[in-house]
Amino acid sequence: NAGVTQTPKFQVLKTGQSMTLQCAQDMNHEYMSWYRQDPGMGLRLIHYSVGAGITDQGEVPNGYNVSRSTTEDFPLRLLSAAPSQTSVYFCASSQLAAASYNEQFFGPGTRLTVL
Amino acid sequence: RKEVEQDPGPFNVPEGATVAFNCTYSNSASQSFFWYRQDCRKEPKLLMSVYSSGNEDGRFTAQLNRASQYISLLIRDSKLSDSATYLCVVNYGSTLTFGKGTMLLVSP
Repeated sequence: NAGVTQTPKFQVLKTGQSMTLQCAQDMNHEYMSWYRQDPGMGLRLIHYSVGAGITDQGEVPNGYNVSRSTTEDFPLRLLSAAPSQTSVYFCASSQLAAASYNEQFFGPGTRLTVL
Repeated sequence: RKEVEQDPGPFNVPEGATVAFNCTYSNSASQSFFWYRQDCRKEPKLLMSVYSSGNEDGRFTAQLNRASQYISLLIRDSKLSDSATYLCVVNYGSTLTFGKGTMLLVSP
């Protein structure tokens, strides 16, 4: 099993550009989520999904869109990048059953810089 | 507001020392509690869940005090490889809230 994979590992964008961060998991997990991690801050939840076709907002959803067309994939789209979105982005997955009670498996992260 | 507060750190300890990390949370309805470990520039990984009766995994002991809304992690006989940031994690409904983490540096 590859676990949770994320691409790209690094990305530099200019203000106003859009892009999609990819996340995939091969563990047949229903629950997937996106976090951002900034220096001096804890991981903050951006969006999450409890299954294909179902998504919901987390703590910091503004400026980001998600979709979940398959169980395996959960891409995160930045609509119009801003310097405030410079961060490390982690995708995570877990079994659905009471997802917040289960171990979260994280991808290796995408380091994004917006100039 | 969802809050998970941790000791700011860093904690600098020699090999073999015992070190304790503290964490408080704001939601009395929270039901699940975890400690995650994050190495520098890596993803977080589950260290251990925290159960009401307290639990131990080798050199690591986790305690939960629901009345005080307080969680602790004790590491005995610290190893160089324990150097990392330790994240306290608490559920708020169906989502998890992460503390900012406490960095541990173990020196020879």
